[in-house]
Amino acid sequence: GENVEQHPSTLSVQEGDSAVIKCTYSDSASNYFPWYKQELGKRPQLIIDIRSNVGEKKDQRIAVTLNKTAKHFSLHITETQPEDSAVYFCAASPNAGGTSYGKLTFGQGTILTVHP
Amino acid sequence: DSGVTQTPKHLITATGQRVTLRCSPRSGDLSVYWYQQSLDQGLQFLIQYYNGEERAKGNILERFSAQQFPDLHSELNLSSLELGDSALYFCASSVVGVNEQFFGPGTRLTVL
Repeated sequence: GENVEQHPSTLSVQEGDSAVIKCTYSDSASNYFPWYKQELGKRPQLIIDIRSNVGEKKDQRIAVTLNKTAKHFSLHITETQPEDSAVYFCAASPNAGGTSYGKLTFGQGTILTVHP
Repeated sequence: DSGVTQTPKHLITATGQRVTLRCSPRSGDLSVYWYQQSLDQGLQFLIQYYNGEERAKGNILERFSAQQFPDLHSELNLSSLELGDSALYFCASSVVGVNEQFFGPGTRLTVL
């Protein structure tokens, strides 16, 4: 089955700096890669996702890049703010569409702390 | 608010007991997924239902079972509970044909 590795496990940055979180996956059939942000005791919230036919996607201060050949994808947060502090999870899924088999395999999570 | 609802928010029970967790998906979503989040195992996929039928199974124990009803709400049944079953249980739902999954607020289960 799919295995997703996420690094680093903790990341501490100063407000205004950039933060980068990296994930690798093992199953070449995976073609959907979402990122979730989870605050303490809350639900995971989808913040951005990318599909295998796209190499990069941006949404304001957040961007995700995908290298299918190397089987890795990354989350980039620019101009970080204290409210970005949370646990970030990457995930991989084998289907970008269809009615079945949409299960997500998650990485271990990265605790991001942004210091004011 | 994702539109996915889960009850109860918290559940405290004893070892050996049985509990039922309930999830209502977003309006129009036919797929429901259950995940377990614990400190040592992270976020793990348990099971997926689509329009009442089981579609995919993950690391779900035989003591656990789930179903999706005609009104599309889903229940996760956990029996013969052990201390190690203490975790956050999340339900997520998605629309047919797309993969974005939206998570509910979770049920925190504590087994004493």
